[in-house]
Amino acid sequence: GAVVSQHPSRVICKSGTSVKIECRSLDFQATTMFWYRQFPKQSLMLMATSNEGSKATYEQGVEKDKFLINHASLTLSTLTVTSAHPEDSSFYICSATGTAQETQYFGPGTRLLVL
Amino acid sequence: DAKTTQPPSMDCAEGRAANLPCNHSTISGNEYVYWYRQIHSQGPQYIIHGLKNNETNEMASLIITEDRKSSTLILPHATLRDTAVYYCIVRVTINNDMRFGAGTRLTVKP
Repeated sequence: GAVVSQHPSRVICKSGTSVKIECRSLDFQATTMFWYRQFPKQSLMLMATSNEGSKATYEQGVEKDKFLINHASLTLSTLTVTSAHPEDSSFYICSATGTAQETQYFGPGTRLLVL
Repeated sequence: DAKTTQPPSMDCAEGRAANLPCNHSTISGNEYVYWYRQIHSQGPQYIIHGLKNNETNEMASLIITEDRKSSTLILPHATLRDTAVYYCIVRVTINNDMRFGAGTRLTVKP
């Protein structure tokens, strides 16, 4: 089956620093990747959609200058949280779809804690 | 806006079938019904999807009503490891939008 990985699985950083999260499709080419955020006891909220080689499309209320997304290849997308603050602490999850675009496969998530 | 309605929680006895309902009364003709589940602190796991016909795979069965306004996910023999939040999502495949509602928290009890 399709496998999506994320790295790191968990990260703790100081307020004001930047953190990069990687999302990789291991056994298929991901034409589209998605980034979600999930706060405790809440559902997943879509942050942005990125197509390989194009600029990401951000959901309303998500600051594109704070959450930098790069989708430079068909197997890798990165999310950089710039100048992180404690309120950015959350569970960040990526997903990817292949050329058939029938099903999204999700990564295991990255738990970010900003002190 | 939520396109699906699910009960917030359900319990099921281990070894019995778990039947999770979902209402999607405003579903369009080209929208599929997808089911995912999320075990605590993990990413969502794809379970099954369908358009009109009932579907079955190694994990579950999906029963879609003839008018497509509702569906039921069936886990035939629930185990403790099936305890999770189950999400029902309607989505057009060529439109990559996938929006999660609150889902149903299924607790399988021994």
